[in-house]
Amino acid sequence: SQTIHQWPATLVQPVGSPLSLECTVEGTSNPNLYWYRQAAGRGLQLLFYSVGIGQISSEVPQNLSASRPQDRQFILSSKKLLLSDSGFYLCAWSPTSRVYNEQFFGPGTRLTVL
Amino acid sequence: GQQLNQSPQSMFIQEGEDVSMNCTSSSIFNTWLWYKQEPGEGPVLLIALYKAGELTSNGRLTAQFGITRKDSFLNISASIPSDVGIYFCAGQGRLGAQKLVFGQGTRLTINP
Repeated sequence: SQTIHQWPATLVQPVGSPLSLECTVEGTSNPNLYWYRQAAGRGLQLLFYSVGIGQISSEVPQNLSASRPQDRQFILSSKKLLLSDSGFYLCAWSPTSRVYNEQFFGPGTRLTVL
Repeated sequence: GQQLNQSPQSMFIQEGEDVSMNCTSSSIFNTWLWYKQEPGEGPVLLIALYKAGELTSNGRLTAQFGITRKDSFLNISASIPSDVGIYFCAGQGRLGAQKLVFGQGTRLTINP
């Protein structure tokens, strides 16, 4: 069966510091991968998605970036965090072999920027 | 772009009551998905719908894919305390599309 991991689970960072969040998927090959952000009590905002190694599509212009160095690894980064970057970051995957895009989410990372 | 209107935004009910929520759009969707998110966790896929008119159940949950392809609803029968959470609908605009459109969520609170 497939499993998706995210770490760290929680993170408190000062404004202006760098960020690196990691997501890995087990039990599948060549998945589509997604990064979402969720503000408190709000819906899901798609930040980036990737259909393959080195292929990144950005949905929202901002100071965040994403990379996919390996097939099942997706990384969200920032060089300098802003207060507005606080939120709950969710990674998700979907199988590329299907025409139906059922996405499966990881446990999330709670980021607080102070 | 495509948008989903999910309602109600929140519900406060008594344990044992039935719950109904829905998502509507001005655009056609080819797949509807319903997720539940508990506090501090990622959303979990509850039900997936693939054909217009399809009615699918998962325990006490029942969801339907609207005939017009522009709406979907989720019903929960005989609610229990563990049903508390935020329920999201999501739609896939075309088969093979790599992105989903999400509703804003329905927050369900249950009074025991």
